Amino acid sequence: DAKTTQPPSMDCAEGRAANLPCNHSTISGNEYVYWYRQIHSQGPQYIIHGLKNNETNEMASLIITEDRKSSTLILPHATLRDTAVYYCIVRVRRGGSTLGRLYFGRGTQLTVWP
Amino acid sequence: DADVTQTPRNRITKTGKRIMLECSQTKGHDRMYWYRQDPGLGLRLIYYSFDVKDINKGEISDGYSVSRQAQAKFSLSLESAIPNQTALYFCATSDFLAGTDTQYFGPGTRLTVL
Repeated sequence: DAKTTQPPSMDCAEGRAANLPCNHSTISGNEYVYWYRQIHSQGPQYIIHGLKNNETNEMASLIITEDRKSSTLILPHATLRDTAVYYCIVRVRRGGSTLGRLYFGRGTQLTVWP
Repeated sequence: DADVTQTPRNRITKTGKRIMLECSQTKGHDRMYWYRQDPGLGLRLIYYSFDVKDINKGEISDGYSVSRQAQAKFSLSLESAIPNQTALYFCATSDFLAGTDTQYFGPGTRLTVL
């Protein structure tokens, strides 16, 4: 699985958009980009994933560059409850299945301030 | 995610004791996983199971064993606990047949080995 690089910390004012970057320059064509977050010692929470198209759900938007070497997770209107560590993970998907593993790095500590 | 439960939520034990952590899920997923998290680090995979008859070692399986008693239950055992197994343990599930194999995590078990 490709390695990812994220800034160790970021902060954002409540109500503003939080844009969390991730570099995955060695990503290959069959690897998806996943985002999870972990709120202080709770179980990681799935946010969103994508392959090459931009994706949006009720929690966030995922923007993947055309060369797929980087992506940005966007929380459109951050709240205090969005304060968490955000993990960007790339996963192989082969022949309709994945290897099943998630490799978590250090992630980005996002702090939302009032 | 309330559909994935872990028991106990907290446990303090002594070196040499046998400990079992249990995970149950009502999501109907076929795949289950055990991870551990140490302070300031990401999650590391201990064991994973793609179905009741399929058990696989993860990256840090030494000192641990697992049992997949049923599709909905996956237990992690520490046969003889040692202090460096003090960590936060998470169970996760995923549904391969759903296509995305997204993993959903339980609330965690905080284990302290004295």
